[in-house]
Amino acid sequence: AQKVTQAQTEISVVEKEDVTLDCVYETRDTTYYLFWYKQPPSGELVFLIRRNSFDEQNEISGRYSWNFQKSTSSFNFTITASQVVDSAVYFCALSEKPSNDMRFGAGTRLTVKP
Amino acid sequence: ETGVTQSPTHLIKTRGQQVTLRCSSQSGHNTVSWYQQALGQGPQFIFQYYREEENGRGNFPPRFSGLQFPNYSSELNVNALELDDSALYLCASSRREDAFTGELFFGEGSRLTVL
Repeated sequence: AQKVTQAQTEISVVEKEDVTLDCVYETRDTTYYLFWYKQPPSGELVFLIRRNSFDEQNEISGRYSWNFQKSTSSFNFTITASQVVDSAVYFCALSEKPSNDMRFGAGTRLTVKP
Repeated sequence: ETGVTQSPTHLIKTRGQQVTLRCSSQSGHNTVSWYQQALGQGPQFIFQYYREEENGRGNFPPRFSGLQFPNYSSELNVNALELDDSALYLCASSRREDAFTGELFFGEGSRLTVL
């Protein structure tokens, strides 16, 4: 069965600090997809990134970077030089059937203080 | 903003009642998924609709049902409400052709409180 664990329930940092959000997943499939979503107070989930199981390249997008390691079943998310606007709940998610039955972790609430 | 709109934004019901939640998908999207997000938890997949038919269902009882209309909008119906049904209900739309991207566009949700 597929499962996503985000062990960090809440993280608080001061602006400009770097922060890493951890995600560990379990799946029996060799083909799967991993995602990160951001949920601001408004409630809607905002798509950040998708990775398929055959693409282990790390990715950087501005202040955001993602480290995918199949050997440890982890897909961690780092925000460099955090800003107050980064405050939100971040979810890691796994899908064995693309765009269907996406399994989310419990989320990590990130608070960035000025 | 994603272009996915949900209504109502908030509602209060009592146990045993029935509720209908509505979702208008983003223009050009033909697939709608519904998720339940309890307080402090991640969203849980309820079901997905494509071409007006259910296309996958999570671990939810039959009293959770849905519809998709020809314009791709969708409804989620919950009968015989229970206290544990209190949650944020999220609708997400996508293009079937993009099924392998897995990028879902979410609305802001309908917050249901069952008393």
